[in-house]
Amino acid sequence: SAVISQKPSRDICQRGTSLTIQCQVDSQVTMMFWYRQQPGQSLTLIATANQGSEATYESGFVIDKFPISRPNLTFSTLTVSNMSPEDSSIYLCSVTEGQITGANVLTFGAGSRLTVL
Amino acid sequence: GQNIDQPTEMTATEGAIVQINCTYQTSGFNGLFWYQQHAGEAPTFLSYNVLDGLEEKGRFSSFLSRSKGYSYLLLKELQMKDSASYLCAVRDSNYQLIWGAGTKLIIKP
Repeated sequence: SAVISQKPSRDICQRGTSLTIQCQVDSQVTMMFWYRQQPGQSLTLIATANQGSEATYESGFVIDKFPISRPNLTFSTLTVSNMSPEDSSIYLCSVTEGQITGANVLTFGAGSRLTVL
Repeated sequence: GQNIDQPTEMTATEGAIVQINCTYQTSGFNGLFWYQQHAGEAPTFLSYNVLDGLEEKGRFSSFLSRSKGYSYLLLKELQMKDSASYLCAVRDSNYQLIWGAGTKLIIKP
């Protein structure tokens, strides 16, 4: 299965600053997904990163706040802009692994834990 | 609205059996997933159900009843390493994944 590396694994940031999270996959994948996981809450899809086109954002998430790059089929970045304490969360990168008994299974990176002071 | 419900936390004893329930109300149904997530690590795929019935995979089994909007994950012969969060997710009619908040399972010796 695909191996996903995320950097940084954790960071403490100041309010108003921006941080870019990197996601590297060891194989070429068509779609990469960015999720947010807040304490005690479910995984929430932020956007789908498409190679060669703009990312597709879910309701409640906008490009100005979460700009995404996808320069090639193995790499993507998510920037959390103008951070506030409400952005404190784990951010996860994931890819579709392929089909298992007809299902597209997601493989996740270990996540980037951001704390905004 | 769409909703996935699962218990927040459960405790079980090493060597025992535990059943983690998941109920869902979604716009359509195209499969249900269970993932395991150890603290500080990535969620990893455990099982997938799209038809009613039981899917067994070693010590783990997953059951689905589409008419009841209900699934459970059954863990047998519990080991300390099974201490983790277990996430239930349903794919709706638009093939979007709806996630539960996860069940934190604590295994005691």
